[in-house]
Amino acid sequence: NAGVTQTPKFQVLKTGQSMTLQCAQDMNHNSMYWYRQDPGMGLRLIYYSASEGTTDKGEVPNGYNVSRLNKREFSLRLESAAPSQTSVYFCASSGSTQGYEALHFGNGTRLTVT
Amino acid sequence: AQSVSQHNHHVILSEAASLELGCNYSYGGTVNLFWYVQYPGQHLQLLLKYFSGDPLVKGIKGFEAEFIKSKFSFNLRKPSVQWSDTAEYFCAVNNNAGNMLTFGGGTRLMVKP
Repeated sequence: NAGVTQTPKFQVLKTGQSMTLQCAQDMNHNSMYWYRQDPGMGLRLIYYSASEGTTDKGEVPNGYNVSRLNKREFSLRLESAAPSQTSVYFCASSGSTQGYEALHFGNGTRLTVT
Repeated sequence: AQSVSQHNHHVILSEAASLELGCNYSYGGTVNLFWYVQYPGQHLQLLLKYFSGDPLVKGIKGFEAEFIKSKFSFNLRKPSVQWSDTAEYFCAVNNNAGNMLTFGGGTRLMVKP
């Protein structure tokens, strides 16, 4: 049982380049999330999708776009990367749309923007 | 907006010492509370959660947490830590009305053998 799978694991971009982080879950969860983790700041929510076909902004959405391709997949796109987007990105999923269930996290993508 | 504070950023303990990590949140309504752990190089995993009922919650690996509503706190405890408990610990709060789980800044725990 793979759970939540993220690709790639590592990425280095130059300022202004674009990329898409991929996430897929095999637990038939309705809700999916993208977080970024920065030292001393915990995890901050970028975007989430409560169900297939819907997406909503989180705490720090600027500079990002998302696509809920189907129930399994939720991608995060950086259109024009900036050094401030250097971070570790985690995708997560949950069976509940009302926060009653814990999140299941992927292994993360370490992104460096130079 | 809700916020979560973890006042201890770094904690160093010797094996067998007792642990208490503080967590306070700002939301005044009904909340769901979580503690997650992140071992070095790994993703976050759930330690324990509180939704309702007994305010003393027991989780995996001997951890427990107590919800004190009057203090807006959900502190994590373990009577005797092990070297394998070295990790970063995150408190998180959901306000039961939406999907946004708010995380604290994390506490890095190092247990010396």
